[in-house]
Amino acid sequence: NAGVMQNPRHLVRRRGQEARLRCSPMKGHSHVYWYRQLPEEGLKFMVYLQKENIIDESGMPKERFSAEFPKEGPSILRIQQVVRGDSAAYFCASSPGGTYQETQYFGPGTRLLVL
Amino acid sequence: GNSVTQMEGPVTLSEEAFLTINCTYTATGYPSLFWYVQYPGEGLQLLLKATKADDKGSNKGFEATYRKETTSFHLEKGSVQVSDSAVYFCALTTLGSGNTGKLIFGQGTTLQVKP
Repeated sequence: NAGVMQNPRHLVRRRGQEARLRCSPMKGHSHVYWYRQLPEEGLKFMVYLQKENIIDESGMPKERFSAEFPKEGPSILRIQQVVRGDSAAYFCASSPGGTYQETQYFGPGTRLLVL
Repeated sequence: GNSVTQMEGPVTLSEEAFLTINCTYTATGYPSLFWYVQYPGEGLQLLLKATKADDKGSNKGFEATYRKETTSFHLEKGSVQVSDSAVYFCALTTLGSGNTGKLIFGQGTTLQVKP
């Protein structure tokens, strides 16, 4: 059973460009979470999605960031007009049921560097 | 609000030493508690978890007991190995966050084990 897949593993963008990060959950999992890890900090929740629905986006910056999880295909975290402060590791996690007691399984992360 | 506080690192130990990493939490309701481990350049892996008071989670020689009276979930291992060198994150989820399962992380504790 393949784990959570994320690509690309490393992404370099210049200021003002767009970044697209992809996440394929574990087989059988329909709940996806995105977290951001800034340098020397812990992980911070960004958004929680189920297929075709955003359930909780309370951790998402109000501007430039968006997320989707279509019926078919991976979940996408999109950052428009990137700035240097967006440089971070972005982790996706999936779970089968999305309840508070369930284990989340993490992908290897995408490390975004904004020049 | 809900939060997790971990002891500051880095923690440097010699091989076969006893390990304790302190973790305390503040949460509404009855949280589930987790320890995740992150090896260099990788994503997070679940180490152990406990979902109710007095539960003990254990895995790979690591243990942690959910103590409601002291709101703590300290991680322990009797004899560490060089291969245990990593960053350890304490985290919680709670019904108080709308049962969406989003994880709230501590800041992480870096463990370095020397031969």
